[in-house]
Amino acid sequence: GAVVSQHPSWVICKSGTSVKIECRSLDFQATTMFWYRQFPKQSLMLMATSNEGSKATYEQGVEKDKFLINHASLTLSTLTVTSAHPEDSSFYICSARGQGKETQYFGPGTRLLVL
Amino acid sequence: GENVEQHPSTLSVQEGDSAVIKCTYSDSASNYFPWYKQELGKGPQLIIDIRSNVGEKKDQRIAVTLNKTAKHFSLHITETQPEDSAVYFCAASINDYKLSFGAGTTVTVRA
Repeated sequence: GAVVSQHPSWVICKSGTSVKIECRSLDFQATTMFWYRQFPKQSLMLMATSNEGSKATYEQGVEKDKFLINHASLTLSTLTVTSAHPEDSSFYICSARGQGKETQYFGPGTRLLVL
Repeated sequence: GENVEQHPSTLSVQEGDSAVIKCTYSDSASNYFPWYKQELGKGPQLIIDIRSNVGEKKDQRIAVTLNKTAKHFSLHITETQPEDSAVYFCAASINDYKLSFGAGTTVTVRA
């Protein structure tokens, strides 16, 4: 149980384009989803927290207009990187948590490369 | 906010030996401490967690200990195997469920 998927696993795009990443909880209802960014050989950096049906809460220093998050249902959250630039290239990972639960289950990650 | 420190940053052990990773946290209100294993190119996988009302928890070759007074917790892996090679992250959270991660420990098990 507690499986989280992400799509796509890999994406290469041109500078200036927008990229959407999907995060799905496959076998449980995720009232809260988290989006992280991870650079090579570094720890996970929380970008934002999203609760189903409400606006996401962004961490300090994360541009909400740059990284659009939509948590439309109890099993799906999306992260859209708008007008992507090479510095946005990174490994993006989502996690999901069920109602009243502390445990976060992570997706497999999406590697974004902006040329 | 919560600050989690993790040591060592790298750890090399002989197959069959034990590995120990230690973490300290700053906020005494933290009450949930998970450990994640991350293999190259993959997302973190929960391997064990402990809550503040428990001092020790064990799951086969993996155990975690918590010292609330000293604000530190440790991961113990016994009888290490090559497939234990990965990056391990500790984390801590308070009731708002946001996880604060340590910097990670790269474990290499030598065959």
